[in-house]
Amino acid sequence: RKEVEQDPGPFNVPEGATVAFNCTYSNSASQSFFWYRQDCRKEPKLLMSVYSSGNEDGRFTAQLNRASQYISLLIRDSKLSDSATYLCAQGSGGYQKVTFGTGTKLQVIP
Amino acid sequence: SQTIHQWPATLVQPVGSPLSLECTVEGTSNPNLYWYRQAAGRGLQLLFYSVGIGQISSEVPQNLSASRPQDRQFILSSKKLLLSDSGFYLCAWSVLANEQFFGPGTRLTVL
Repeated sequence: RKEVEQDPGPFNVPEGATVAFNCTYSNSASQSFFWYRQDCRKEPKLLMSVYSSGNEDGRFTAQLNRASQYISLLIRDSKLSDSATYLCAQGSGGYQKVTFGTGTKLQVIP
Repeated sequence: SQTIHQWPATLVQPVGSPLSLECTVEGTSNPNLYWYRQAAGRGLQLLFYSVGIGQISSEVPQNLSASRPQDRQFILSSKKLLLSDSGFYLCAWSVLANEQFFGPGTRLTVL
């Protein structure tokens, strides 16, 4: 089993829609989780960090479910500019390493 | 503010040639530094990480090596490139709480 698993998608959604991605993780001891956004042929950019139950930033909400070992990302009122690959990641207990999922591709359609 | 630089941006090298990729960080001290590789259509693979000058941890045995000669400089090297070394090489830094910030990357093609 991979340490961090994501549905690769693509998720094709119309502008204005709400879309949610899930990411499962295997390291139950992890205390930190992250969502990154990666545009085509660019570096990943940190979108949101999650250290407790969740985090919210504008149209983006991340929620952590420790019992089921998954983290979700909800995007409301999708914009064309939200089209990208979204990477989920979990931090190691030693605060030195982060394990990334392979990403979920989102395409927002006009 | 912190910035991270990588060069070159793109590189085309023949099989068997050497490699040297450089990464430098500005605006922070004693960062953790990381080298990742992302093959086409695949996830980020951690290659090396460093918590200080001269301290290198290898995650994947292969023909690559890393060095950290200065606090904010991280170098990825190879003596002889393989076709399978092609990919997008990303350097990242972190200081607290695992949050990693990536450089612009080097796209390497080995022919």
